[in-house]
Amino acid sequence: TQLLEQSPQFLSIQEGENLTVYCNSSSVFSSLQWYRQEPGEGPVLLVTVVTGGEVKKLKRLTFQFGDARKDSSLHITAAQTGDTGLYLCAGASSGYSTLTFGKGTMLLVSP
Amino acid sequence: DAMVIQNPRYQVTQFGKPVTLSCSQTLNHNVMYWYQQKSSQAPKLLFHYYDKDFNNEADTPDNFQSRRPNTSFCFLDIRSPGLGDAAMYLCATSRDLGGSSEQYFGPGTRLTVT
Repeated sequence: TQLLEQSPQFLSIQEGENLTVYCNSSSVFSSLQWYRQEPGEGPVLLVTVVTGGEVKKLKRLTFQFGDARKDSSLHITAAQTGDTGLYLCAGASSGYSTLTFGKGTMLLVSP
Repeated sequence: DAMVIQNPRYQVTQFGKPVTLSCSQTLNHNVMYWYQQKSSQAPKLLFHYYDKDFNNEADTPDNFQSRRPNTSFCFLDIRSPGLGDAAMYLCATSRDLGGSSEQYFGPGTRLTVT
């Protein structure tokens, strides 16, 4: 069974701070996705990374896929209150597999 | 425009009383998924349909069943809900399987078992 470990589990910061959350596994994934889930809603896809070492930017969010395709990070610059939510990473072991989700990092950004 | 719709958003059922959750999509996607998400846990895949082909996860209890009568609709049936089945149930769709195919999630149905 492939497992994705996310850290930290919970992060509480002030608006304007920078932060990084991590998604780690001992298994190789063909691709990895990051989702954000707001309370009472379903997850919404932020990005998909497929190439080892790949870096993608989405406004203030920077996503990196590890060279060995076993880990990923999400860096948020100058966090805003609207960034509050549960950040989930999810990996696919092959091109035709379902996704394995991590437990998520709950981010709270206070004004 | 809603793309993945789940009804109801909140469902209360009694211990042992069968309950059905519904999901519909306007995306014409091939794959539909049902996930169970408990507080502070990862979404756990229960099963998925690729078109009409049903795929059950090995550890999904027999108490959980699913139906997909057509491309647009998919149902989750819990035959005899227990207290441990209280959770958020998420429906998702994707064009194809695999990580390169984005999954679109519905807002979820919060199930309470009394």
